[in-house]
Amino acid sequence: GIQVEQSPPDLILQEGANSTLRCNFSDSVNNLQWFHQNPWGQLINLFYIPSGTKQNGRLSATTVATERYSLLYISSSQTTDSGVYFCAVPHFNYGQNFVFGPGTRLSVLP
Amino acid sequence: DAGVTQSPTHLIKTRGQQVTLRCSPKSGHDTVSWYQQALGQGPQFIFQYYEEEERQRGNFPDRFSGHQFPNYSSELNVNALLLGDSALYLCASSLSGTSGSGTQYFGPGTRLTVL
Repeated sequence: GIQVEQSPPDLILQEGANSTLRCNFSDSVNNLQWFHQNPWGQLINLFYIPSGTKQNGRLSATTVATERYSLLYISSSQTTDSGVYFCAVPHFNYGQNFVFGPGTRLSVLP
Repeated sequence: DAGVTQSPTHLIKTRGQQVTLRCSPKSGHDTVSWYQQALGQGPQFIFQYYEEEERQRGNFPDRFSGHQFPNYSSELNVNALLLGDSALYLCASSLSGTSGSGTQYFGPGTRLTVL
C-alpha cells in the first residue's frame, strides 16, 4: 500500500516564527489533505490539495503531485498553532479513506 | 450546521469486555468511516459504512464490527477487548459520490482505555 512520510517529527518555534512541514508519499494520488489535531484530539481540516497551491490566512499548502510531495507553510506562528499536523492520502484498497502520515508535532512557545 | 458528534467522550473497560461507540455524521452526509488512533501515531482506517453496509475495510480483525442506521448514524463495536485496543476512536463523515474530492470531516473522538 501507499506509504506516507512526514518531516520533521517534532518542531519547536518561538511565537512569530515561520515553518515548513513536508509530506512525502510513495504513489500517485488524487486526493491529499492536511489536518491539524489540537491538544484535545480534534482533527481539523486545513486543506484539500491534490495539486497546486492554496492559501488560508497564515497557512498555505503546495502539492507537487508529479514529485509526490506536499508542503505546509505556517507563517507568523501563534501558540494556538500548537498540536500535531497530519497529511493524509487515499489508499487504493480503501476507496477514498485515508492513510495518515505519522505527523509533525509542533510546539509554539510564547 | 451540526458537525460530527461522537459518544461517549471517554470510556474505561476491562480486558475481554465488549464496547459500543456511537457517531452521528455531519448534516447532509451519508457515509461514515471509523479510524483508530493509538497514542503518538496517526489514525488508522478501520472501515466505512454507506447505505447501511460495510463498503471498505482496513486491516482490522473481525472483533471490530459496525452498523449504520437509516438516519446515517453509525456504531462501532469491539468484542473481546485487548489492552492494545486502548486508543482514540475517530468517526469521519463524508458525502457519497465525491470520489476524488472525498473530504472527510472528523468528530471529536472517543477515548477508550482497556485495563
